[in-house]
Amino acid sequence: DGGITQSPKYLFRKEGQNVTLSCEQNLNHDAMYWYRQDPGQGLRLIYYSQIVNDFQKGDIAEGYSVSREKKESFPLTVTSAQKNPTAFYLCASSIAGGSGANVLTFGAGSRLTVL
Amino acid sequence: DAKTTQPPSMDCAEGRAANLPCNHSTISGNEYVYWYRQIHSQGPQYIIHGLKNNETNEMASLIITEDRKSSTLILPHATLRDTAVYYCIVRVGAAGNKLTFGGGTRVLVKP
Repeated sequence: DGGITQSPKYLFRKEGQNVTLSCEQNLNHDAMYWYRQDPGQGLRLIYYSQIVNDFQKGDIAEGYSVSREKKESFPLTVTSAQKNPTAFYLCASSIAGGSGANVLTFGAGSRLTVL
Repeated sequence: DAKTTQPPSMDCAEGRAANLPCNHSTISGNEYVYWYRQIHSQGPQYIIHGLKNNETNEMASLIITEDRKSSTLILPHATLRDTAVYYCIVRVGAAGNKLTFGGGTRVLVKP
């Protein structure tokens, strides 16, 4: 079945450590996205990529970095510069154009806790 | 982007139709209405979208008013598994979009 796989599902990190969240899709989608969700809140866009080797900052990119070396993969690194990284992280993908560009398929999420 | 307004919460009875309203009075002619839902601790799930005509799929129906300033998502026979936060989003159908998921309606289906 086609879909998006995020790993790990749960992750604990000590302050000052970088951590990388994996996101892989087999939907042949060109566009991929990373969102952050805090308890009781909506989703906020961190980074998005419309094509391999290209990505743009979202609304809260500070303290995060991404790469898009392969169409299928869009890993997110939460760096030590992110002041409050404890959150639920969601990866999504979509086709790149038309009304379907707004039809996002989401992964199951990765829950990061900083100790 | 057109701003949307949804009630913060609503209850509905299991087995009955759930009608979720969304106001988008500043919608432009080329903007679509999209609906997503998010069940607790899961990623959002796309439900349906439309431009001006009513739409139906296996999950729900979308009714858009003739002036396109509001819409209603209809879950025909609500089940307990439909308990979730429902997001109404209005966006142009084009590449480079940044979908925003804020607010939404928290729907509680009661037995």
